[in-house]
Amino acid sequence: SYELIQPTSVSVSPGQTASITCSGDKLGDKYACWYQQKPGQSPVLVMYQDTKRPSGIPERFSGSNSGNTATLTISGTQAMDEADYYCQAWDSSIYVVFGGGTKLTVL
Amino acid sequence: EVQLLESGGGLVQPGGSLRLSCAASGFTFSTYAMTWVRQAPGKGLEWVSAISGSGGSTYYADSVKGRFTISRDNSKNTVYLQMNSLRAEDTAVYYCAKAAEYSNLSSFDFWGQGTLVTVSS
Repeated sequence: SYELIQPTSVSVSPGQTASITCSGDKLGDKYACWYQQKPGQSPVLVMYQDTKRPSGIPERFSGSNSGNTATLTISGTQAMDEADYYCQAWDSSIYVVFGGGTKLTVL
Repeated sequence: EVQLLESGGGLVQPGGSLRLSCAASGFTFSTYAMTWVRQAPGKGLEWVSAISGSGGSTYYADSVKGRFTISRDNSKNTVYLQMNSLRAEDTAVYYCAKAAEYSNLSSFDFWGQGTLVTVSS
């Protein structure tokens, strides 16, 4: 079965750039997206089709996907960005797969 | 405004059944695929099942195939998840979510608040 691997945790200082990776076999050939989930809340889509930001998502969020790795980058990270982040991929053979999630700590 | 409201969760014994519902509003329901995603306590997101806008195509994770059935009633703007032969490992918050694109499951742009299913004797 298809797997997406994320680091368990990432730490960043306020104002710095955070990068969260998601690795999977030939992931660059599929669409990847990212969700942010804060404690006690439902997931929120923050990036779709690799690089597109939904309405209302700040410009400091950006994405890329190439080869075996998709990356969510948060520039000028703010305290409010502290959350769990999940990548997700889809294609007609794997259906829907989530990564294990990354806890972003802003300290 | 898009709204998704799940219901039907609760405590059920192992081997039992439960039917979840997700009532949708604020968009043309029949146009979009819908999905169920679950999250066990303290764990990550796990995709469970999805259904096309027409209801003609359904998809399941291996962990639930043969036990869960997804369906939808486009006249009621509601998607369902019938869960049979429940196991302790099915304990989770179950979210329904709306596909962001008409024709695929590449991302989900609106999520409900979730409903808790607890399987325990």
